Amino acid sequence: KNEVEQSPQNLTAQEGEFITINCSYSVGISALHWLQQHPGGGIVSLFMLSSGKKKHGRLIATINIQEKHSSLHITASHPRDSAVYICAVRRGGSNYKLTFGKGTLLTVNP
Amino acid sequence: GAVVSQHPSRVICKSGTSVKIECRSLDFQATTMFWYRQFPKQSLMLMATSNEGSKATYEQGVEKDKFLINHASLTLSTLTVTSAHPEDSSFYICSAEGNPNTEAFFGQGTRLTVV
Repeated sequence: KNEVEQSPQNLTAQEGEFITINCSYSVGISALHWLQQHPGGGIVSLFMLSSGKKKHGRLIATINIQEKHSSLHITASHPRDSAVYICAVRRGGSNYKLTFGKGTLLTVNP
Repeated sequence: GAVVSQHPSRVICKSGTSVKIECRSLDFQATTMFWYRQFPKQSLMLMATSNEGSKATYEQGVEKDKFLINHASLTLSTLTVTSAHPEDSSFYICSAEGNPNTEAFFGQGTRLTVV
């Protein structure tokens, strides 16, 4: 079983829909990252969370440390949101490496 | 957010030659840089962790003599793929961090094709 599990693997939505992508992890962490990878390959860091909730524009990320679960929400989705969304966790302790989920491919149709 | 510049974005090389990929942090000092490889439709696979002024730490199964990493300054790390083979064709991407356990900033990635 992977340390970081994302669901769904693929998601197709119509423009304007509310999107939720889930991430569960099985190890103790110091932080959880949500990343966005566009078709060209470049990766953008969306959020780094260690507790609670963060909001940036139409994006909202939440984390429940006790349940080892995080969600990324996109409100009023737009075709330009189409990308792969990746959840990554950084373990607690002195290990600085990120462990990545397999990603969720989001396609938003106009 | 901080900017990490990776160059080149695409490179095609012949088998047996070496290719150097640069990763620069443009507006912060990167004490740690990470090099990843990504196969189509797969997640990022960590190749090595590079700390400024010290030898890189390679992940299990990654050949250190084939993938040479140099992190000579706080703003530049390089990955050299030596004696490239077609199976080295892949997408390589770096990330840079200023302090431990902080936000990760990624380069644009390099698509390497070995012919």
